[in-house]
Amino acid sequence: AQKVTQAQTEISVVEKEDVTLDCVYETRDTTYYLFWYKQPPSGELVFLIRRNSFDEQNEISGRYSWNFQKSTSSFNFTITASQVVDSAVYFCALSDTAAGNKLTFGGGTRVLVKP
Amino acid sequence: EPEVTQTPSHQVTQMGQEVILRCVPISNHLYFYWYRQILGQKVEFLVSFYNNEISEKSEIFDDQFSVERPDGSNFTLKIRSTKLEDSAMYFCASSDRLLGEKLFFGSGTQLSVL
Repeated sequence: AQKVTQAQTEISVVEKEDVTLDCVYETRDTTYYLFWYKQPPSGELVFLIRRNSFDEQNEISGRYSWNFQKSTSSFNFTITASQVVDSAVYFCALSDTAAGNKLTFGGGTRVLVKP
Repeated sequence: EPEVTQTPSHQVTQMGQEVILRCVPISNHLYFYWYRQILGQKVEFLVSFYNNEISEKSEIFDDQFSVERPDGSNFTLKIRSTKLEDSAMYFCASSDRLLGEKLFFGSGTQLSVL
């Protein structure tokens, strides 16, 4: 069965600090997909990134970067130079071939960026 | 970017009443989903729907729940007899492929059962 663990329930930083969100996953499948979604205070789920299990290249998109390490089953997310608008709950999620597109979400990490 | 639309944004109902949550998925998508999020908790899968039938459902999706795609554009979730514990944010999602494709989520319907 799939499992996603986000050990940090809440992180508080001051604006311009970097913040790294941890995500550890479990799956028996060799083909799987990892996602990060952002849930701002307004409540919607905003897609940030998708990674497949065969692509371990790290990715950078503006102030966001992702570090995928199969050896440790981790898919960590870093926000560089955080801004108040980054305040949200961030969810890591997993789908694999057994699950089709059914996403298994982690418990989420609430990020609070203070001015 | 195309959007998944959900109505209403908030629904308040009395315990035991039936509710229907409505969703308009992205028009060329083929796979549809309902998820729910109890306040402060993780987002949980309820059901997936493809080709006019349920593909998969979770333990949460018991006989009180049903889904329907009545007219080729809407996708509904019905709860026949609501319970207090059904209070949650319900998210509709859609995708155009089965495996590994990102899900487009709607803004959610906050259901409050009193």
